[in-house]
Amino acid sequence: NAGVMQNPRHLVRRRGQEARLRCSPMKGHSHVYWYRQLPEEGLKFMVYLQKENIIDESGMPKERFSAEFPKEGPSILRIQQVVRGDSAAYFCASSPRATGSPEAFFGQGTRLTVV
Amino acid sequence: RKEVEQDPGPFNVPEGATVAFNCTYSNSASQSFFWYRQDCRKEPKLLMSVYSSGNEDGRFTAQLNRASQYISLLIRDSKLSDSATYLCAVNMGDSSYKLIFGSGTRLLVRP
Repeated sequence: NAGVMQNPRHLVRRRGQEARLRCSPMKGHSHVYWYRQLPEEGLKFMVYLQKENIIDESGMPKERFSAEFPKEGPSILRIQQVVRGDSAAYFCASSPRATGSPEAFFGQGTRLTVV
Repeated sequence: RKEVEQDPGPFNVPEGATVAFNCTYSNSASQSFFWYRQDCRKEPKLLMSVYSSGNEDGRFTAQLNRASQYISLLIRDSKLSDSATYLCAVNMGDSSYKLIFGSGTRLLVRP
């Protein structure tokens, strides 16, 4: 019973490049949440998706960031034209239903470094 | 004022000590409360949910004080393996899926 799988675990991008972060939820989970953690800070909610739908993207920066959760395949968090300030750990969580409760399990995260 | 605030620490304690962390929240409508443990460069893992009546799991006790709007985590008989960052998280009543995290309290348990 695999947990939430994120890849890559580490990603290095030069300023201006694109970053694609992938998240495969736990089996049977159709709700995905993305959080970002800057150094020495807590996690901050970015976006909540269900299959083929963005439910709440209130935590996403208005520009350069987008997320999707297609019918087939993993959820993707895409960052275009990355800047140094995008360097952070990006965590994905999944749950079987809409909840911010213990049923949401976090993946191991993707550490993005922009150089 | 931050929605969820924690003392960043670090709390540096000897093995066997009892240590307590507090976490304050600003939204009185908050419904659910949690403590997560995060090891360096790892994902947060749920440690405990915090119920109104308080709850205990082995050496760990969590309490909620709604009147003063804080939650606490007490660790008894600290072990070296307890060294980590402890994050509190609050689930706002109007958005049941969204967790608001504190910045974490770092605990160092020394031999």
